[in-house]
Amino acid sequence: EAGVAQSPRYKIIEKRQSVAFWCNPISGHATLYWYQQILGQGPKLLIQFQNNGVVDDSQLPKDRFSAERLKGVDSTLKIQPAKLEDSAVYLCASSTGQFRGSTEAFFGQGTRLTVV
Amino acid sequence: AQSVTQLGSHVSVSEGALVLLRCNYSSSVPPYLFWYVQYPNQGLQLLLKYTSAATLVKGINGFEAEFKKSETSFHLTKPSAHMSDAAEYFCAVSPPNAGNMLTFGGGTRLMVKP
Repeated sequence: EAGVAQSPRYKIIEKRQSVAFWCNPISGHATLYWYQQILGQGPKLLIQFQNNGVVDDSQLPKDRFSAERLKGVDSTLKIQPAKLEDSAVYLCASSTGQFRGSTEAFFGQGTRLTVV
Repeated sequence: AQSVTQLGSHVSVSEGALVLLRCNYSSSVPPYLFWYVQYPNQGLQLLLKYTSAATLVKGINGFEAEFKKSETSFHLTKPSAHMSDAAEYFCAVSPPNAGNMLTFGGGTRLMVKP
């Protein structure tokens, strides 16, 4: 079974530029998450989708970050304009989406963003 | 509101020694608790999870954790460390019936000395 795919693996941009990350979840997984992991810290949930609807985006800086999940499969996360403090690894995860009990979330390898 | 505190950002043990990684949580409702491992340049992999069943949870690679409500703890242990256990370990909490809306601790880097 293929895992969560993310691209690109690495990205270096200048501040004030825009950048987009792509995520393809495990086939059949209804729930998709984007996490931000700043160096030396644990991942922080940015946004959670259930199919193509947003479940929680309370920690997404909406003035510069946006995310979409068209057709309930792939997802893109965009930053525009980027700031130095956005340098981090952006992790995508997916799960089957059962809300009773807890199902395992599978993580991709992440995209390492460096803003200079 | 939930939070997780991992005591010790770095832990060093000798190969064959006991591994103990500490995790304390704060939650207004009985939580689900998780331990994840992250190898360099990799995503996170689930080691084990507690979802209100048995308080002693066994996971992969010989790791286990015990949920202690009175101490609000979920410490991770392994009787004998292997070199391959060197990685970053994250404790996480989620509300029950909330899918995987995880709140992570800051992580503990485990180093294993030969």
